[in-house]
Amino acid sequence: TQLLEQSPQFLSIQEGENLTVYCNSSSVFSSLQWYRQEPGEGPVLLVTVVTGGEVKKLKRLTFQFGDARKDSSLHITAAQPGDTGLYLCAGASGSARQLTFGSGTQLTVLP
Amino acid sequence: DSGVTQTPKHLITATGQRVTLRCSPRSGDLSVYWYQQSLDQGLQFLIQYYNGEERAKGNILERFSAQQFPDLHSELNLSSLELGDSALYFCASSVVPTGGRGTGELFFGEGSRLTVL
Repeated sequence: TQLLEQSPQFLSIQEGENLTVYCNSSSVFSSLQWYRQEPGEGPVLLVTVVTGGEVKKLKRLTFQFGDARKDSSLHITAAQPGDTGLYLCAGASGSARQLTFGSGTQLTVLP
Repeated sequence: DSGVTQTPKHLITATGQRVTLRCSPRSGDLSVYWYQQSLDQGLQFLIQYYNGEERAKGNILERFSAQQFPDLHSELNLSSLELGDSALYFCASSVVPTGGRGTGELFFGEGSRLTVL
């Protein structure tokens, strides 16, 4: 069973601060996705990374896939209350016909 | 709006009962997935269908079953319900099945919240 561990589990910060969320595994993934889930809604895809060492930027969000394709990070610059939500990483591999989700990081950005 | 429709949104039932959750995928998506989300276990993969056929199975209990119909909608049947089955059940769909570098976006419905009393 492929496991994805996310840290921290909970994060509460003030508006304007920077933060980094981590997603780690002992397994190699062909691709890794980050989703954000808001209360009462399903997860929504933010980004997909497929190449080891890949960095993708989405406005104030920067995603990095580890060189060995076992880990990933999400960095948010100048966080805003609208960034509040549950951030989930999800890994896919060719051998497993399923997307494995991490346990999530619950982010709260206080105004 | 993701385009994935789940019904019912909320369901309260008693232990030992049976319920059916329904999912209509996005138009054109052949793959349907069911996930269970509880407070202490995150998002757990249950089962995946592709064009009517079961493609992958996760940690789905024997008391649970699912199917995808010719019109591509899917149903998740939960029987002999226990208190621990209380959770959010999500359906998702995608154009191509998950797995490998070609994994595309999963579009999730708003979920069905099941409460077993």
